[in-house]
Amino acid sequence: AQTVTQSQPEMSVQEAETVTLSCTYDTSESDYYLFWYKQPPSRQMILVIRQEAYKQQNATENRFSVNFQKAAKSFSLKISDSQLGDAAMYFCAYRRGRDDKIIFGKGTRLHILP
Amino acid sequence: KAGVTQTPRYLIKTRGQQVTLSCSPISGHRSVSWYQQTPGQGLQFLFEYFSETQRNKGNFPGRFSGRQFSNSRSEMNVSTLELGDSALYLCASSPQGNGYTFGSGTRLTVV
Repeated sequence: AQTVTQSQPEMSVQEAETVTLSCTYDTSESDYYLFWYKQPPSRQMILVIRQEAYKQQNATENRFSVNFQKAAKSFSLKISDSQLGDAAMYFCAYRRGRDDKIIFGKGTRLHILP
Repeated sequence: KAGVTQTPRYLIKTRGQQVTLSCSPISGHRSVSWYQQTPGQGLQFLFEYFSETQRNKGNFPGRFSGRQFSNSRSEMNVSTLELGDSALYLCASSPQGNGYTFGSGTRLTVV
């Protein structure tokens, strides 16, 4: 069965600094999708970034970028120039195919220190 | 463009009762998925509906059921509520099954 592991329950970073959130996953599939979702106190899950496994290039969305290491089954999220609004729970997630369910990690709570 | 709307936002029920939660997807989205979020178990997949048919199902007991209407709106029902059913229930919609957009959830408390 596919699993997603986030080993850092909580992290803190100074405002304007860079932070990296870790995620590893386990799968025997060769084609799949990976995501990072953000859940602020408003509870709504917001898609931060997505990566298709067949793409070698790491996805980037403004201040958010990933380091996708397919062989190591690692998918870390880097947040540059951290802002107070980045404070939230961050979930790493995996989906096997377009029509399959999303499997989430346990989450990392990110605190931004002013 | 309106987002995914879940109603009600908060709900308090007594053990043994049943409850129905509603999810209105983004217009044009035909896939609706439901997730349960608890502090202990995290986010767990309940089921997914596409064009009124259940396409995927998670590992939850039969007390948890759902349906989807012709306008893509979806409901999930939990019968014979247990204390452990207290959770945030999230709904997500997508056009075909990718690019999910989540709602803000329904917080269910069972007392």
